[in-house]
Amino acid sequence: AQKITQTQPGMFVQEKEAVTLDCTYDTSDQSYGLFWYKQPSSGEMIFLIYQGSYDEQNATEGRYSLNFQKARKSANLVISASQLGDSAMYFCAMRGSYNTDKLIFGTGTRLQVFP
Amino acid sequence: DGGITQSPKYLFRKEGQNVTLSCEQNLNHDAMYWYRQDPGQGLRLIYYSQIVNDFQKGDIAEGYSVSREKKESFPLTVTSAQKNPTAFYLCASSKRVINNEQFFGPGTRLTVL
Repeated sequence: AQKITQTQPGMFVQEKEAVTLDCTYDTSDQSYGLFWYKQPSSGEMIFLIYQGSYDEQNATEGRYSLNFQKARKSANLVISASQLGDSAMYFCAMRGSYNTDKLIFGTGTRLQVFP
Repeated sequence: DGGITQSPKYLFRKEGQNVTLSCEQNLNHDAMYWYRQDPGQGLRLIYYSQIVNDFQKGDIAEGYSVSREKKESFPLTVTSAQKNPTAFYLCASSKRVINNEQFFGPGTRLTVL
């Protein structure tokens, strides 16, 4: 069975610093996709970044990058130059090759950025 | 602008009543999903639909029902059989390919009084 594990319930970071949010996954699929979403206090889920299992380069989207280590089954999100608006819940999710319509979510990490 | 709408934003219901949550998308996506989120938890899949007139149970379907009569609409009914319905409900849609993200609506917060 597929599983996503986020071991950090909460993280603090000072404005303008970088922060890494951890995500490990478990799957027997050879082909899969990994996603990160941001959930501000308003509740909606905002897509941040995607990494495919066969992508050779780590994904980047603006200040977000994904540190993908396939052998260790980890897909950590790195946020550079943190801003106060980055304070939110962050969820890692996975979609497998045999069930491409389902996303499995982790329990999330609450990030708080302080001045 | 394309997107997903959910209504209402807040919903209160008495115990024993059925209630229907609306979800509409104009993204021309084939697949639609319903998730439940409890405080401090991740999202759990209730039901999903890959095409019109077809849907499958997710991980926590008991006490819920859905329909998919139109591509744009995927309403969720929370029945009186759902033991603990108070939660935040999120609807999403996507294209049916592995690298396509799911787009989410703003959510409905259901409280059972």
